[in-house]
Amino acid sequence: SAVISQKPSRDICQRGTSLTIQCQVDSQVTMMFWYRQQPGQSLTLIATANQGSEATYESGFVIDKFPISRPNLTFSTLTVSNMSPEDSSIYLCSVPGGGSSYNEQFFGPGTRLTVL
Amino acid sequence: QKEVEQNSGPLSVPEGAIASLNCTYSDRGSQSFFWYRQYSGKSPELIMFIYSNGDKEDGRFTAQLNKASQYVSLLIRDSQPSDSATYLCAVVSGTYKYIFGTGTRLKVLA
Repeated sequence: SAVISQKPSRDICQRGTSLTIQCQVDSQVTMMFWYRQQPGQSLTLIATANQGSEATYESGFVIDKFPISRPNLTFSTLTVSNMSPEDSSIYLCSVPGGGSSYNEQFFGPGTRLTVL
Repeated sequence: QKEVEQNSGPLSVPEGAIASLNCTYSDRGSQSFFWYRQYSGKSPELIMFIYSNGDKEDGRFTAQLNKASQYVSLLIRDSQPSDSATYLCAVVSGTYKYIFGTGTRLKVLA
């Protein structure tokens, strides 16, 4: 499986500010995914980031709040904009497993965000 | 609304016992089924996937799928304290369209 890193690993931010989270993969992947895991909850897909095209957002998530960049096949960023305490979550990027038709995904270590 | 249901637990089992984790899903068109383990403060780690009816074994882990009943389970044999974690069931409908359950917290008692 790919080696995935995220920066920052954690941050504490003030409400109304924005934070950009980076996700780096050690191999080229067509799709990258961004998830949110709120405290005590499961994972919810925010959007799918494809290189060379606009990200595809899931219901309940909008580009103005969670802009995503995908400048190349190994890197993506997710920005959490105009943050409120409700945005306090773990944000995870994931990538598909290589060479498989069974849709498995592998997750980065996550970014733990606390908004005060 | 496509749903994946899991008992939140905690499920407590003694060391050496079999832990049985269950998951039901609502979308009959679901194609692939995954079990992830998540330790506290860590990201999910893929344990197993299954896509056809029946059992699939990998070491101490066995995944079981029954599409007619829309039911998938994970058995952990010879449970160890290091197996204590939250186990997430994920169901895929369409390419990489994951829907996660809320997870079952497993506690293996030494």
